[in-house]
Amino acid sequence: ELKVEQNPLFLSMQEGKNYTIYCNYSTTSDRLYWYRQDPGKSLESLFVLLSNGAVKQEGRLMASLDTKARLSTLHITAAVHDLSATYFCAVDTTGGGADGLTFGKGTHLIIQP
Amino acid sequence: DSGVTQTPKHLITATGQRVTLRCSPRSGDLSVYWYQQSLDQGLQFLIQYYNGEERAKGNILERFSAQQFPDLHSELNLSSLELGDSALYFCASSVTGLAETQYFGPGTRLLVL
Repeated sequence: ELKVEQNPLFLSMQEGKNYTIYCNYSTTSDRLYWYRQDPGKSLESLFVLLSNGAVKQEGRLMASLDTKARLSTLHITAAVHDLSATYFCAVDTTGGGADGLTFGKGTHLIIQP
Repeated sequence: DSGVTQTPKHLITATGQRVTLRCSPRSGDLSVYWYQQSLDQGLQFLIQYYNGEERAKGNILERFSAQQFPDLHSELNLSSLELGDSALYFCASSVTGLAETQYFGPGTRLLVL
C-alpha cells in the first residue's frame, strides 16, 4: 500500500523566513503533485513534478523531486501572510496509465506578520 | 475558479438514504476523478473515469457507485448512508487522465444525520 508522509503537519512561522516542507512516499513513482487548500475551499494545483530531479518554481514557492530517495520538498522563501494555507503532496497511486492520487495528511502552515 | 462545477454545494440527509452528487468537468477534459475528504481519513481517491469508461478504482465503498455520461459529466451515487459518510466530496478533471494536473471543483459538503 502506497503511503505518503508529510512533515511537519503544523508549522507556524514569521513573515520573511524560509522553510521547507518534506514529502516522503513509500513506493516507486516519478509523478508527484503539490496542492494548496485554503480553509473551506477547494484544492489549487501548485506543481506537477514528473521526473527525477525536476524542480519547479512559482513566486516564493519551489518544489523538487528526488525519485531515488522518494522525497519531494516544497521550499518557501521569504514567507508572506498570503501563503498561509494547508499544503498537500500527492503521488500517483494506480499506475498502468491511470492517475488516482494518494495524498499526504497535509501541512497546515500559518505565517504570522 | 478551476472550471469544474459541482452540485449541490451542501447536502443534509439522514442515515439509510441515497444521494447523488453531480460534477461537470472543465471544457475539453475527458477524465473525471472523485475524492472524499474527511477529518478521519484525509483526502482519499475514490474512482476515475475517462471518456465514459471506468479507469481506476480507489477506496470506494460498495455502497457507492459512479458513472460518466456521454456529455462527460459524472455522478457519484451514495446509498445506505452512514454517519461516517459525512465528508467533503470533490470532483476533479484533467484532459487525458495521465500524469497531468487535476483541477478540483468546489466540492459538495455532505452531512448525514
